[in-house]
Amino acid sequence: KAGVTQTPRYLIKTRGQQVTLSCSPISGHRSVSWYQQTPGQGLQFLFEYFSETQRNKGNFPGRFSGRQFSNSRSEMNVSTLELGDSALYLCASSLRQPNEKLFFGSGTQLSVL
Amino acid sequence: DQQVKQNSPSLSVQEGRISILNCDYTNSMFDYFLWYKKYPAEGPTFLISISSIKDKNEDGRFTVFLNKSAKHLSLHIVPSQPGDSAVYFCAARDTGTASKLTFGTGTRLQVTL
Repeated sequence: KAGVTQTPRYLIKTRGQQVTLSCSPISGHRSVSWYQQTPGQGLQFLFEYFSETQRNKGNFPGRFSGRQFSNSRSEMNVSTLELGDSALYLCASSLRQPNEKLFFGSGTQLSVL
Repeated sequence: DQQVKQNSPSLSVQEGRISILNCDYTNSMFDYFLWYKKYPAEGPTFLISISSIKDKNEDGRFTVFLNKSAKHLSLHIVPSQPGDSAVYFCAARDTGTASKLTFGTGTRLQVTL
């Protein structure tokens, strides 16, 4: 069974631009959540999508948005990029069952110059 | 407000000895705890978990202990191996929040020969 696939692996953007990241969950998984990892901050929860609906949202500005398609694939968009948005963006999928672990992709490393 | 804390940014242990990684939390609503291991340029991989109704869970060389009264959990690795060198993240799930995990900032474990 293929794992969680994130594209692209690396991105370089400049301030003010926007970016879209893509995530394909494990087959059969309908929950996709997104996390931001920055040095010294651990992983911060961005949002979760299940059945094409946002179910949970973390404490990030409205510049961060996402969506989920009917095939459970998800995209995350960041508009008006800031230098502080440079981070590793991780996507995780699950069946959304109680006491279940999340499966993470390898992430997209975003650098904002 | 850091609800999950890993106060040791790094730990060095000799091969064959025990590694003990610690994690403290503040939110009494956390009912499920997980440990993830992360290598550079890869996504976190699940290691072991524990429900708040238990105080210990074992899986091979890995044991997680939970002390609810102290809001403290620890991960024991015995014996430690060079391949265990990675960053370890403690994570917690709030009751009813499904895929939203709150992560600590991680502990970098170095297992030396």
